[in-house]
Amino acid sequence: NAGVTQTPKFRILKIGQSMTLQCTQDMNHNYMYWYRQDPGMGLKLIYYSVGAGITDKGEVPNGYNVSRSTTEDFPLRLELAAPSQTSVYFCASSRNRGDYGYTFGSGTRLTVV
Amino acid sequence: AQSVAQPEDQVNVAEGNPLTVKCTYSVSGNPYLFWYVQYPNRGLQFLLKYITGDNLVKGSYGFEAEFNKSQTSFHLKKPSALVSDSALYFCAVRVSIDYKLSFGAGTTVTVRA
Repeated sequence: NAGVTQTPKFRILKIGQSMTLQCTQDMNHNYMYWYRQDPGMGLKLIYYSVGAGITDKGEVPNGYNVSRSTTEDFPLRLELAAPSQTSVYFCASSRNRGDYGYTFGSGTRLTVV
Repeated sequence: AQSVAQPEDQVNVAEGNPLTVKCTYSVSGNPYLFWYVQYPNRGLQFLLKYITGDNLVKGSYGFEAEFNKSQTSFHLKKPSALVSDSALYFCAVRVSIDYKLSFGAGTTVTVRA
């Protein structure tokens, strides 16, 4: 059981560069989410998806984009990286509304310098 | 709007003593409440949930939580803490008709031998 897989685990970007954080799940979950975790701030929802072809903004979507072309994959795109995007990013998935909890990936630690 | 407050940044207990991690919430509607645990350099793991039914819910690793509607609280408890319980704990809430979780800022639990 792979669950939710995120790549890369670590990345350093220069200001203005772009990158894609990959997320894939093998549980056939229809709901997927991207969160960022900042110290003392908990997790903030960036984007979410309720199924292939459907995405929507969360609390902090500025500077990010997502796509959901398949049930399994939910990549997060950072355009024109800024130091404020230095964070740990978590992808998660759930069956339907997540009444049985979310399954999280192990995270991507991103530093923008 | 929905929100979660974890009033303690840190909780320190001796091994074998009871452990309590506090959580209060605010939602418009029926709350679905969750606890997650995060070990260093890992993603979040689901511990337990309250959706409906008994106010005392039991979860993984000997943890339990009590839902108190009048106090809008959902405190996490463990009768006898272990050193291995040292981790970061997050409380989360959503309303029953929604699926987006809101997380608290987290509480760091340290259990000393």
